[in-house]
Amino acid sequence: DVKVTQSSRYLVKRTGEKVFLECVQDMDHENMFWYRQDPGLGLRLIYFSYDVKMKEKGDIPEGYSVSREKKERFSLILESASTNQTSMYLCASSPSGQGGETQYFGPGTRLLVL
Amino acid sequence: AQSVTQLDSQVPVFEEAPVELRCNYSSSVSVYLFWYVQYPNQGLQLLLKYLSGSTLVKGINGFEAEFNKSQTSFHLRKPSVHISDTAEYFCAVSSLHGSSNTGKLIFGQGTTLQVKP
Repeated sequence: DVKVTQSSRYLVKRTGEKVFLECVQDMDHENMFWYRQDPGLGLRLIYFSYDVKMKEKGDIPEGYSVSREKKERFSLILESASTNQTSMYLCASSPSGQGGETQYFGPGTRLLVL
Repeated sequence: AQSVTQLDSQVPVFEEAPVELRCNYSSSVSVYLFWYVQYPNQGLQLLLKYLSGSTLVKGINGFEAEFNKSQTSFHLRKPSVHISDTAEYFCAVSSLHGSSNTGKLIFGQGTTLQVKP
């Protein structure tokens, strides 16, 4: 059974803190993604990675960075958390292909920045 | 640029009634279309997807969707809903993105299906 896990379900941080969100997949997928989910806006892509150490910006990368040192692990970093980064963060993975591949999602991390 | 519009933010329906969740997309190229479901406090899981071939696509839990190229729609239907179908439903279109040509999903705003007893 495919599995994507995220390090925390709930996280509370203070403004200005550096925040790390971790995601691990056990499917040997090439692609990994970070989204944020906000009511009424659906999911928006922050960053994605198509190979180890390779990354590309998504639609809303400002204020975020990512790291992929191993194929199974993809980290999202908030360099200096701000209140407008309070959100649900979802990680996903997929095999490489021509665009029709299913993305498999983790359970999400609900981040509150005070 | 591609975009997805889900026409209803909330759809209340009684148990055992039929339901249709509407999705329209815009794209200048061939598309792959998806419906994902998110149950409370969970991540998203795939309901069904259209890649090519038959325009009627069947998915899990009795859901189906029809791809209509002329109307640029991909509406989701179920003939008889259950309480357990209460969830948020997302329509998405896939495009190849960036220098890596990685498949990227563009999501609609989501539709909350509320099934009442």
